[in-house]
Amino acid sequence: ETGVTQSPTHLIKTRGQQVTLRCSSQSGHNTVSWYQQALGQGPQFIFQYYREEENGRGNFPPRFSGLQFPNYSSELNVNALELDDSALYLCASSYLGTGGEDTQYFGPGTRLTVL
Amino acid sequence: AQSVTQLDSQVPVFEEAPVELRCNYSSSVSVYLFWYVQYPNQGLQLLLKYLSGSTLVKGINGFEAEFNKSQTSFHLRKPSVHISDTAEYFCAVRKMSNTGKLIFGQGTTLQVKP
Repeated sequence: ETGVTQSPTHLIKTRGQQVTLRCSSQSGHNTVSWYQQALGQGPQFIFQYYREEENGRGNFPPRFSGLQFPNYSSELNVNALELDDSALYLCASSYLGTGGEDTQYFGPGTRLTVL
Repeated sequence: AQSVTQLDSQVPVFEEAPVELRCNYSSSVSVYLFWYVQYPNQGLQLLLKYLSGSTLVKGINGFEAEFNKSQTSFHLRKPSVHISDTAEYFCAVRKMSNTGKLIFGQGTTLQVKP
């Protein structure tokens, strides 16, 4: 059984550019959540995808968008990058069943630096 | 809305000593509770979780936590720490009636000294 994987590991972009981060879910999971972790802070929820549809969103602007694919992998897209977008982006996968509880398992993260 | 407060930003402790990392939460509805550990330059690893049942929860690496509903706390403990336990520890909550959104505390840095 493979865990959650993310790519790339590190990324450097300039202000105003666009970026796409990728996440592969753990086997058997149907839900992907994305978090932003600024330096020295706890992770902040961006959004969650369940069966290819957005299933909850945190307090992030529309330039943060995502996709989930039929194989439950996911992408996070950020347009018009700002300096404050520099952070570690974490993907977490889980299995959401009828009970409503989903324990989230995290990938290693993508470190984004915006210059 | 839910919130999580980790009462100590840094906890220095000597190897083989016991440790407690404190976590308090605020919520008007019932929640699930989690502790995650983050080693340098890595993602988060689940240590333990409280969903229901016994208020004393045992996790990996010898850690345990106790859910106290009246005090809205979920403190993490280990009777004897190792150098390898040096890491950042995050307490998190999620509404039982919701999916996905984990609310994290600011984190506690555990520094184990030889």
